[in-house]
Amino acid sequence: AQRVTQPEKLLSVFKGAPVELKCNYSYSGSPELFWYVQYSRQRLQLLLRHISRESIKGFTADLNKGETSFHLKKPFAQEEDSAMYYCAPRPYVNFNKFYFGSGTKLNVKP
Amino acid sequence: NAGVTQTPKFQVLKTGQSMTLQCAQDMNHNSMYWYRQDPGMGLRLIYYSASEGTTDKGEVPNGYNVSRLNKREFSLRLESAAPSQTSVYFCATPRGLGDTQYFGPGTRLTVL
Repeated sequence: AQRVTQPEKLLSVFKGAPVELKCNYSYSGSPELFWYVQYSRQRLQLLLRHISRESIKGFTADLNKGETSFHLKKPFAQEEDSAMYYCAPRPYVNFNKFYFGSGTKLNVKP
Repeated sequence: NAGVTQTPKFQVLKTGQSMTLQCAQDMNHNSMYWYRQDPGMGLRLIYYSASEGTTDKGEVPNGYNVSRLNKREFSLRLESAAPSQTSVYFCATPRGLGDTQYFGPGTRLTVL
């Protein structure tokens, strides 16, 4: 069965500390992977996608096909990073459908 | 250019009442989606529409119906609301490079 797991519901760190939000997926084939973010009382928005290999707001995510993981990392967390983060694989088999993880709430303390 | 709009923003229903959530997009994309967001459950796909005139079930379709009225509009109907349908509902459509999901602002529904 296809699934995506975000093992941490809540992650609390202090400002300036490194952050890693975990995402593991189980899909046949080669899914495309995304991270979405939802700031308080705002709509979900795309943060980054693995194909782009980009850094957005200091965040990066590396696709590890061997471990089937797509962890989101930032070396120095900022208070404005506090939000809900969702990992979302999109199986190439069904291009139209996204599957979202259960989300991790990041709380960056001053 | 509003992107994706949803109405209403908030709604309180009593068990057994019916209502329709409206979604409209001006991105001229064929696909539209309805999700519900619940604490600890993340986002779950209710229904989606790959193109005008077609709809398909997602992960949690029970208790819901949808209508793809035209290319712009995709509505979600609760015929007989239940407390388990208390949630935040998001509509989405693909946008941009790679057709990533673009979400509406959400409808917060409470069923008493």
